[in-house]
Amino acid sequence: GNSVTQMEGPVTLSEEAFLTINCTYTATGYPSLFWYVQYPGEGLQLLLKATKADDKGSNKGFEATYRKETTSFHLEKGSVQVSDSAVYFCALSDYGDNAGNMLTFGGGTRLMVKP
Amino acid sequence: NAGVTQTPKFRVLKTGQSMTLLCAQDMNHEYMYWYRQDPGMGLRLIHYSVGEGTTAKGEVPDGYNVSRLKKQNFLLGLESAAPSQTSVYFCAPYKWQGGTDTQYFGPGTRLTVL
Repeated sequence: GNSVTQMEGPVTLSEEAFLTINCTYTATGYPSLFWYVQYPGEGLQLLLKATKADDKGSNKGFEATYRKETTSFHLEKGSVQVSDSAVYFCALSDYGDNAGNMLTFGGGTRLMVKP
Repeated sequence: NAGVTQTPKFRVLKTGQSMTLLCAQDMNHEYMYWYRQDPGMGLRLIHYSVGEGTTAKGEVPDGYNVSRLKKQNFLLGLESAAPSQTSVYFCAPYKWQGGTDTQYFGPGTRLTVL
């Protein structure tokens, strides 16, 4: 079956530091990959996605590249802000069996950014 | 979260009690999903529906039932609540049309079973 593994948190950074959150996956077929963000007390929001190998997803200064050879989709941002403090989830979907967008999530990584 | 509502927002149950969580969407999305979120485990799929009148099991369906009698509503039922069902529940409507897709998540229902 499908699975997603991401680094455990919390990750604590100072403002303007570089961020990397590692994510690796196991899947049959050719999944699409996602990063979701959850701010305190809220639901999940799609941050970025990539649908095929070597695609780069980007949004709000965050980037992630779909690496099929290493089965990875690491999230990066060059300069984090306090407002980026949230929980980040890596996820995949293989759109299989006419089930639409059935997502498999990693365990989540809490990011705390200090001023 | 526009267009997706979950009722109730919070609930405390005693072991053995029953309840129904309601997800309502006004976006005409065909697919709907129920996930539960537990610390360190991300979100796990409970049940889903690919259209009105259809339901299917996800990764962790035991102890839950669902119904999709109307396209806009997806109900999640707990017949006899257990402490292991203490969690945050998210409804997630999805639509694929014309080569693009949209996935939303509701605001969540926090359930505590004592």
